[in-house]
Amino acid sequence: GENVEQHPSTLSVQEGDSAVIKCTYSDSASNYFPWYKQELGKRPQLIIDIRSNVGEKKDQRIAVTLNKTAKHFSLHITETQPEDSAVYFCAATERGGGADGLTFGKGTHLIIQP
Amino acid sequence: IAGITQAPTSQILAAGRRMTLRCTQDMRHNAMYWYRQDLGLGLRLIHYSNTAGTTGKGEVPDGYSVSRANTDDFPLTLASAVPSQTSVYFCASSDSMGSDTQYFGPGTRLTVL
Repeated sequence: GENVEQHPSTLSVQEGDSAVIKCTYSDSASNYFPWYKQELGKRPQLIIDIRSNVGEKKDQRIAVTLNKTAKHFSLHITETQPEDSAVYFCAATERGGGADGLTFGKGTHLIIQP
Repeated sequence: IAGITQAPTSQILAAGRRMTLRCTQDMRHNAMYWYRQDLGLGLRLIHYSNTAGTTGKGEVPDGYSVSRANTDDFPLTLASAVPSQTSVYFCASSDSMGSDTQYFGPGTRLTVL
């Protein structure tokens, strides 16, 4: 099955700086890569996703890049703000192969220092 | 529109007891999922259902069972709870024929003593 590795486990950045979280996956059949943000005591919420037919996707201060050859994808947050502090999870799955769920990384605790 | 709801919010359970966690969605999504979240381990898939009447096993299915009698409901049952099943349980749903986005419920915090 799929295996997703996520680094770093904790990331502390100064407010206004950029943050980058990296994930690798093992199954070359995976073609859908969402990122979720989870605040303390809350449910995970989708912030951005990318499919394997594109290499990059942006939504305001958030971008995701995908390298299919190397089987890694990254989340980039620019101009970080205090409300960006949360745990971020990457995930991977093969869509079109049946709704068999997401394989998640173990998460990155992002801390924005004022 | 409620989206996806779970009950109970939290529960303390004696080992050996039977427990059913409830999950209901009103988005007419065909696919539903159960994950457990443990500190340092992220979210792991327990069971899933592509459509009403079908279910499948995820990464950590042992000790859990599910049913999908209709589109809206996807209950998770612990037949005989053990302390290692102490976790936060999240239900999710998606329109797997559409956007693929999985929407999560608010979670159930379960403690097995």
